Amino acid sequence: GIQVEQSPPDLILQEGANSTLRCNFSDSVNNLQWFHQNPWGQLINLFYIPSGTKQNGRLSATTVATERYSLLYISSSQTTDSGVYFCAVEQKTSGSRLTFGEGTQLTVNP
Amino acid sequence: NAGVTQTPKFRVLKTGQSMTLLCAQDMNHEYMYWYRQDPGMGLRLIHYSVGEGTTAKGEVPDGYNVSRLKKQNFLLGLESAAPSQTSVYFCASSTGLGVSYEQYFGPGTRLTVT
Repeated sequence: GIQVEQSPPDLILQEGANSTLRCNFSDSVNNLQWFHQNPWGQLINLFYIPSGTKQNGRLSATTVATERYSLLYISSSQTTDSGVYFCAVEQKTSGSRLTFGEGTQLTVNP
Repeated sequence: NAGVTQTPKFRVLKTGQSMTLLCAQDMNHEYMYWYRQDPGMGLRLIHYSVGEGTTAKGEVPDGYNVSRLKKQNFLLGLESAAPSQTSVYFCASSTGLGVSYEQYFGPGTRLTVT
């Protein structure tokens, strides 16, 4: 099956700092999604981005499908950005199943 | 439009007991999924369904059964719960029609088996 690697595994920031999270995947994909899991365990859809670039407020994401990676940018981080960020991909041959990376644990300190 | 809802939110079972988790979606999605999340890990697919009356195994199907009798509902059953099934269970749905593959997730069910 497809392999999904996220980096870094842990990240600690001061409020106001910027950060970049990376997701590498090992095969062609139909779907790539970024999620934020907040401290209460809720999974929040951030981006559906199998290719290209999208922006939503302080967050933006870029997927370069031909090179098999995606980046999530967080600018001017806030304490409410803390939590785990997951990348998940659907392999083109997998029949509509998402494979998740192990996540990046982000802590934003005041 | 409630999206994807899950019932119950929390449950504690004793080893050997059975239970059913209910997932409902009001987006007319064809595809539905059950995932589990263990501490410090990403989600793993248990079973999924590509339409009413169909089910298929995912990555970790052992010990679970599912049914999709109605398009809007997907049930996950544990016939004889084991401590290894202590986890957080997430349901998701998608259109699955090739236009958009985006999956939408419910709030999760936290299950503890003692």
